[in-house]
Amino acid sequence: DAGVIQSPRHEVTEMGQEVTLRCKPISGHNSLFWYRQTMMRGLELLIYFNNNVPIDDSGMPEDRFSAKMPNASFSTLKIQPSEPRDSAVYFCASSRGQGEPYEQYFGPGTRLTVT
Amino acid sequence: AQKVTQAQTEISVVEKEDVTLDCVYETRDTTYYLFWYKQPPSGELVFLIRRNSFDEQNEISGRYSWNFQKSTSSFNFTITASQVVDSAVYFCALKSNTGKLIFGQGTTLQVKP
Repeated sequence: DAGVIQSPRHEVTEMGQEVTLRCKPISGHNSLFWYRQTMMRGLELLIYFNNNVPIDDSGMPEDRFSAKMPNASFSTLKIQPSEPRDSAVYFCASSRGQGEPYEQYFGPGTRLTVT
Repeated sequence: AQKVTQAQTEISVVEKEDVTLDCVYETRDTTYYLFWYKQPPSGELVFLIRRNSFDEQNEISGRYSWNFQKSTSSFNFTITASQVVDSAVYFCALKSNTGKLIFGQGTTLQVKP
């Protein structure tokens, strides 16, 4: 079975450019999570969706970040405009439920570098 | 507030040694779940184990074992007879009914041959 798929795996962009990260969750999973990992702050939850609806976006750093989930098999995380401090590894994860104890399965991550 | 503390930032052992990774959590929820994830040098996060707050039984899976003690709010992870392939960053995480997963800062384990 395919795991969580993320694209691109690596992204290098210049400050001010728009960046779009993509995620395909595991089929049948109805919760999707976006995380950011940096050395300074560790793993941070940015936003998560349940049944395609955003449940908690309190972790989104600022208005430059936005996330969408138009259907059960696709989500995007967009940064516009990007800044050097956005450089991090962005992970997408999915699980079978929201409040249930199901574990989250992570994608391989997108390493974003903003110069 | 919910919080996960992994006090050990880095641990270095020699192959075949046993090693225990500590995890202490804080939560006011009566129902919660605890997880361990492994992040090898390749970068992906790999799920290892889930434990709910009602089940304090220890678990063993091969060389891995987990000790959950509700009285001390700890969920420690022991690797027996460590191997070089165990070298990774290990994260402990806490999940409440809201669905949010709170990660500790991680413990970097280096197993030397």
